[in-house]
Amino acid sequence: DAKTTQPTSMDCAEGRAANLPCNHSTISGNEYVYWYRQIHSQGPQYIIHGLKNNETNEMASLIITEDRKSSTLILPHATLRDTAVYYCIVRFYNTDKLIFGTGTRLQVFP
Amino acid sequence: NAGVTQTPKFQVLKTGQSMTLQCAQDMNHEYMSWYRQDPGMGLRLIHYSVGAGITDQGEVPNGYNVSRSTTEDFPLRLLSAAPSQTSVYFCASSYSSRGPYEQYFGPGTRLTVT
Repeated sequence: DAKTTQPTSMDCAEGRAANLPCNHSTISGNEYVYWYRQIHSQGPQYIIHGLKNNETNEMASLIITEDRKSSTLILPHATLRDTAVYYCIVRFYNTDKLIFGTGTRLQVFP
Repeated sequence: NAGVTQTPKFQVLKTGQSMTLQCAQDMNHEYMSWYRQDPGMGLRLIHYSVGAGITDQGEVPNGYNVSRSTTEDFPLRLLSAAPSQTSVYFCASSYSSRGPYEQYFGPGTRLTVT
């Protein structure tokens, strides 16, 4: 699975959009980009995934560059409850092995 | 649905003791896995199973055994606990390993080995 690079930490004001970048320059054609988050010490929670096209669901949007070497997770209106560690993971479509890095610690402040 | 459940929530063991961490899911998911998370680190895959009767090793399998006799249950056995196994253990499941399905995680078991 391709490795990912994320900033260690980010801050965001409540109500503003949080944009979390991820670099995956060695991604191959059949690898998906996944985002999970872990609030405090709870089990990770799935957010969104995509292959080539941008994706949106009720939680977030995922923007993948045309060359697929990087992506951005967007939380459109961050709340205090979005404070968490966010993991960007790249994995082959036909395997369920998730390789976690250390993620980005997002702190949302009032 | 209860989702993925794990027991116990907390456990303290002495070095050399053995125990089994329980994991169950009620979503009829094919794929189940165990991860450990050390302080300040991401999750690391211990063992996984793509269906009943089938298990395989992940990144850090040493010191752990698993079995999958039913679709619902995937217990993790520590054979002889060591302080290096002090960690938080998460169980996860997904519909299938054949496709980009999301994984559902349990609440975790916090294990301390003294």
